[in-house]
Amino acid sequence: KAGVTQTPRYLIKTRGQQVTLSCSPISGHRSVSWYQQTPGQGLQFLFEYFSETQRNKGNFPGRFSGRQFSNSRSEMNVSTLELGDSALYLCASRLGGNTDTQYFGPGTRLTVL
Amino acid sequence: KQEVTQIPAALSVPEGENLVLNCSFTDSAIYNLQWFRQDPGKGLTSLLLIQSSQREQTSGRLNASLDKSSGRSTLYIAASQPGDSATYLCAVKETSGSRLTFGEGTQLTVNP
Repeated sequence: KAGVTQTPRYLIKTRGQQVTLSCSPISGHRSVSWYQQTPGQGLQFLFEYFSETQRNKGNFPGRFSGRQFSNSRSEMNVSTLELGDSALYLCASRLGGNTDTQYFGPGTRLTVL
Repeated sequence: KQEVTQIPAALSVPEGENLVLNCSFTDSAIYNLQWFRQDPGKGLTSLLLIQSSQREQTSGRLNASLDKSSGRSTLYIAASQPGDSATYLCAVKETSGSRLTFGEGTQLTVNP
């Protein structure tokens, strides 16, 4: 069974631009979550999508948004990029129960210049 | 607000040594606790998941324990190998849904 895939793996953008990251969950998984990892703040939860609906949201500004499609693939969008948005963005998928394991993708490394 | 702390922040040991990584959390009302490893620049690999009703889980040379009442978990690695070198992260899930709160990790180096 294929794991969680994320595209692209690396991105370089400039301040003020916007970016869209993509995540394909493990087949059959209905929940997709996004996390931001930085050296200073560690891993922080962005949001979760389940069956195309946002179920939970972390403490990030409205510039960070996402969506999920009917095939469970998810996209994350960041508008008006700032230098501080440079980070590794990780996507995780799980079946959807409350107690199941989360599986992470390899991440997208975003650099904002 | 849940806070997760991992001690030590870094650990260097010779190959073959048994070692323990520690994780503590401030709110004991958790659904489960998960241990991950992360290699440099890579994503997270799930190692063990302990449900709130369980005391421990084992996988190969890894054993994780959970004491919910005291807000502590430990990851025991037996007979460490250089390939175990990585950052180890623990994360707790408090509510329904996927939201995990992570510790800052323990960077482990196993020297040949």
